[in-house]
Amino acid sequence: GAGVSQSPRYKVAKRGQDVALRCDPISGHVSLFWYQQALGQGPEFLTYFQNEAQLDKSGLPSDRFFAERPEGSVSTLKIQRTQQEDSAVYLCASSVRQGPSMEAFFGQGTRLTVV
Amino acid sequence: AQSVAQPEDQVNVAEGNPLTVKCTYSVSGNPYLFWYVQYPNRGLQFLLKYITGDNLVKGSYGFEAEFNKSQTSFHLKKPSALVSDSALYFCAVRDDSGYALNFGKGTSLLVTP
Repeated sequence: GAGVSQSPRYKVAKRGQDVALRCDPISGHVSLFWYQQALGQGPEFLTYFQNEAQLDKSGLPSDRFFAERPEGSVSTLKIQRTQQEDSAVYLCASSVRQGPSMEAFFGQGTRLTVV
Repeated sequence: AQSVAQPEDQVNVAEGNPLTVKCTYSVSGNPYLFWYVQYPNRGLQFLLKYITGDNLVKGSYGFEAEFNKSQTSFHLKKPSALVSDSALYFCAVRDDSGYALNFGKGTSLLVTP
């Protein structure tokens, strides 16, 4: 399909395990975002890439969270030593634009459950 | 700092009646305002955005939103609700100094036949 694709859709991790979440943005989209959505809440910003450059990582909750987009297309969000409070839906979004007016198109998310 | 408030957790409306989902915002610079809809087991879908210009913005699926600078509001509206409009609606704001889109906590819209 032509939309944002995320994998896996569901991930169960044991506490302390490392996880990697993948995002395939819409082809040609310059901007890529990661968001975290807890149950019953709105999405919370984690980080922003413009092509391969990570221009804003102010939302990453701790140094256990790391994101990369090495070739300016596919992105990976890695969480090290997962904890129960990391359980959430992780959303990826992309936009063909840059700048404050850009609307983002979201994937279906990866639901992470830490047990 | 920027933030969004959606004062209603749930809005109930009968099919065929007009609907309004409320949103107020706070930004330090110029506001860029967005509405998204989330259906069960589906991703967030973009509905419409306000950048500048006309205060009434038209979007997808017959939705529109009214920007009011003095009241710092951006309420979502539709003249005639459909049962299929039942979903979770999120208002979001970005200012002109950053990249992060800040979302409200969402309003659940229930349209009854």
